[in-house]
Amino acid sequence: QQPVQSPQAVILREGEDAVINCSSSKALYSVHWYRQKHGEAPVFLMILLKGGEQKGHEKISASFNEKKQQSSLYLTASQLSYSGTYFCGTIAGNTPLVFGKGTRLSVIA
Amino acid sequence: DAGVTQSPTHLIKTRGQQVTLRCSPISGHKSVSWYQQVLGQGPQFIFQYYEKEERGRGNFPDRFSARQFPNYSSELNVNALLLGDSALYLCASSLGPVKETQYFGPGTRLLVL
Repeated sequence: QQPVQSPQAVILREGEDAVINCSSSKALYSVHWYRQKHGEAPVFLMILLKGGEQKGHEKISASFNEKKQQSSLYLTASQLSYSGTYFCGTIAGNTPLVFGKGTRLSVIA
Repeated sequence: DAGVTQSPTHLIKTRGQQVTLRCSPISGHKSVSWYQQVLGQGPQFIFQYYEKEERGRGNFPDRFSARQFPNYSSELNVNALLLGDSALYLCASSLGPVKETQYFGPGTRLLVL
């Protein structure tokens, strides 16, 4: 079952922060975050495993709340290069990776 | 190291034709997955292969088929093309099946007229 992402779209000014949420109705094993720029392939950002710790990657970090089956991606002090569509993908049991519909992030100067 | 490669990059076909898309995984990766991405949507799972065996199949008609070769490269075949098959077809490779991190190739953009 497809995870639900929110918001669908967000516009930020450089330096502002954003949070993108991903929720599932299934008990998740892992959550995978990707960023896709227009006309390009999705680029892997990070993976969060059940029972794992919050992950960080420079100014982009994420958390996984197992009780709520939710993950959040945190983007701090956004840069123009952060613009793109962010997808979460979830794995529950032995199911394949299922992606949400994406969150379109636009960072403006 | 080279990433995932796909060919061709673009393709134009007409309804009813058949198409074959190719993918070479990252060196050392034994699993290949195929996804279809239509404009404005997330990638949708089509197939996963690991060690030349099908490990998963998404909700796609039998017109879609795939295989993995001994060198772990893969082909996706689509028969009797429909206009709705127009999409970006992405290949992703991973070390193992299902739960491993997947790395995407640049994709093949297919247009069916």
